[in-house]
Amino acid sequence: AQSVTQLGSHVSVSEGALVLLRCNYSSSVPPYLFWYVQYPNQGLQLLLKYTSAATLVKGINGFEAEFKKSETSFHLTKPSAHMSDAAEYFCAVSDSSGGGTSYGKLTFGQGTILTVHP
Amino acid sequence: ETGVTQSPTHLIKTRGQQVTLRCSSQSGHNTVSWYQQALGQGPQFIFQYYREEENGRGNFPPRFSGLQFPNYSSELNVNALELDDSALYLCASSLAGGATEAFFGQGTRLTVV
Repeated sequence: AQSVTQLGSHVSVSEGALVLLRCNYSSSVPPYLFWYVQYPNQGLQLLLKYTSAATLVKGINGFEAEFKKSETSFHLTKPSAHMSDAAEYFCAVSDSSGGGTSYGKLTFGQGTILTVHP
Repeated sequence: ETGVTQSPTHLIKTRGQQVTLRCSSQSGHNTVSWYQQALGQGPQFIFQYYREEENGRGNFPPRFSGLQFPNYSSELNVNALELDDSALYLCASSLAGGATEAFFGQGTRLTVV
């Protein structure tokens, strides 16, 4: 079974400050890991994904995440927050083992709401 | 290339009724997954369809059922609606495979009263 824990349901930063959203996962097989962003009353948009290539993954809008197997973490960072980054962010894990009924199924964390202050 | 579209965007149903939600997948995508997102929660996997067959199911009762059509569009049906079924229902389309990106629709907000 897979699971995701996002530490901190709410994170507040000032515009221009570092953004750090924490995600820890549990998986019995090598995982694929994803970060999605959700704006109010909208669906989910993929920010970035880790699929066992480079451990440092760069995504859209200046976000990046580092896969750390020893820490079972996949934290999302952005050097300088912008007002438009205010949204809810979800970390998700998928089974990479291939085949079976769980293949391609995303297991999401509870989400972190990011607030950006002027 | 068209994105994932869901209909309707909002609806209100009475407890005990049945509802059908629809999803048009992105062009070329053969896999559709449905998720339920309760208020303040992350999305929960309901089930996935691949080439018109159910290909995995989450922890949801049988009154949640689905269909996928030859054009890969999909329906989610919920019978005997309960108040706890109130949620945002998200459809995601992708190519088969765990590493491929899932493209999400804007969701259908279902309210059960």
